[in-house]
Amino acid sequence: GAVVSQHPSRVICKSGTSVKIECRSLDFQATTMFWYRQFPKQSLMLMATSNEGSKATYEQGVEKDKFLINHASLTLSTLTVTSAHPEDSSFYICSAREAGTGRGYTFGSGTRLTVV
Amino acid sequence: DAKTTQPTSMDCAEGRAANLPCNHSTISGNEYVYWYRQIHSQGPQYIIHGLKNNETNEMASLIITEDRKSSTLILPHATLRDTAVYYCIVRVAIGTNAGKSTFGDGTTLTVKP
Repeated sequence: GAVVSQHPSRVICKSGTSVKIECRSLDFQATTMFWYRQFPKQSLMLMATSNEGSKATYEQGVEKDKFLINHASLTLSTLTVTSAHPEDSSFYICSAREAGTGRGYTFGSGTRLTVV
Repeated sequence: DAKTTQPTSMDCAEGRAANLPCNHSTISGNEYVYWYRQIHSQGPQYIIHGLKNNETNEMASLIITEDRKSSTLILPHATLRDTAVYYCIVRVAIGTNAGKSTFGDGTTLTVKP
């Protein structure tokens, strides 16, 4: 079945630095991927839609200059958290779907970001 | 996406069937019902989806009422590994917004020995 690989699984960074998270569709091509954020004991919240070869679409309230998304190929989307602060500490998850399968979207295993 | 309502939590005895309800009274004609689950600190896992007919796969069964305003996910023989948060989502299956899933609070299912 479709597999979405997310890397790294955990990252700790210092406040003010930037962190890049990768989301790869391993055995299929994905023109669209989605990025979610999940705070402790809360549900997933959609942050943005990543479109291959074009600009990402951000949900209301999500700063596009802070959360940079690049979808340069049909199998890779990256989320860069710029100038990270402790309040950006969260669980970041991506999802993608193999076209034509009729199944739901496959989610990555998530990235636990801790900003200290 | 149509709003869904699920019970906050449920318990189930190991080996018994777990029946998780979901209300989606404002579902549109072109919206499907999807179920995912999330085990602690992992990404959500797709379980099953359907439009109006009942569906079954290797993981679960999905029963959708005739008026499509509610559905039930059935795990026929729950195991301890089925303990997770279960999310019911309704959304279109194709088109620009097909993948934009709005996650509610879900149901925390606890399977007990």
